[in-house]
Amino acid sequence: GAVVSQHPSWVICKSGTSVKIECRSLDFQATTMFWYRQFPKQSLMLMATSNEGSKATYEQGVEKDKFLINHASLTLSTLTVTSAHPEDSSFYICSAQQFGGRTSTDTQYFGPGTRLTVL
Amino acid sequence: ILNVEQSPQSLHVQEGDSTNFTCSFPSSNFYALHWYRWETAKSPEALFVMTLNGDEKKKGRISATLNTKEGYSYLYIKGSQPEDSATYLCALRHQGGKLIFGQGTELSVKP
Repeated sequence: GAVVSQHPSWVICKSGTSVKIECRSLDFQATTMFWYRQFPKQSLMLMATSNEGSKATYEQGVEKDKFLINHASLTLSTLTVTSAHPEDSSFYICSAQQFGGRTSTDTQYFGPGTRLTVL
Repeated sequence: ILNVEQSPQSLHVQEGDSTNFTCSFPSSNFYALHWYRWETAKSPEALFVMTLNGDEKKKGRISATLNTKEGYSYLYIKGSQPEDSATYLCALRHQGGKLIFGQGTELSVKP
């Protein structure tokens, strides 16, 4: 149980285009989903926290108009990289937290990630 | 902002060797410490969640300890196997569920 899928697994796009990445919790409901980014040789860095039915909360330094997050249901969150540029090339990975969890030991379940390359 | 450090950055061992890695963090308020195992092209897999000073968790040949007063956690693997080869991540869980990750320890186990 607790499987999270991510689509696509990799994408190559031209500079100036937009790319949408989907994150789905397959066998549980996720009130909260998180989006992370990882540059080469660096840690996973949180970009934003997405709660179902409300606006995402972005970390400092992350442009909300560039990285659009939608969490319309308890099983799906999307990240859209708008007007992508080569510096947006990175590994994007999402995680989902199970519905109803209130304790500090809540586990986040991760998708396999999406490799974005902007030419 | 919490800074999570993991060491070593990479580790190469022979099958059967036991090994351990360290996750260091400033001793401060946090909700939990998480360990994940991440194989290439797969999703990070949750190994342990620890919250209390002195916590010890075990899963098969893998175990972990937590010392919140001095700000570290150890992950031990007994009798490493090639299938243990992966990157091991630790992360501090902060308020709101935010995870702050270390850079990971890349383990390679040679048959």
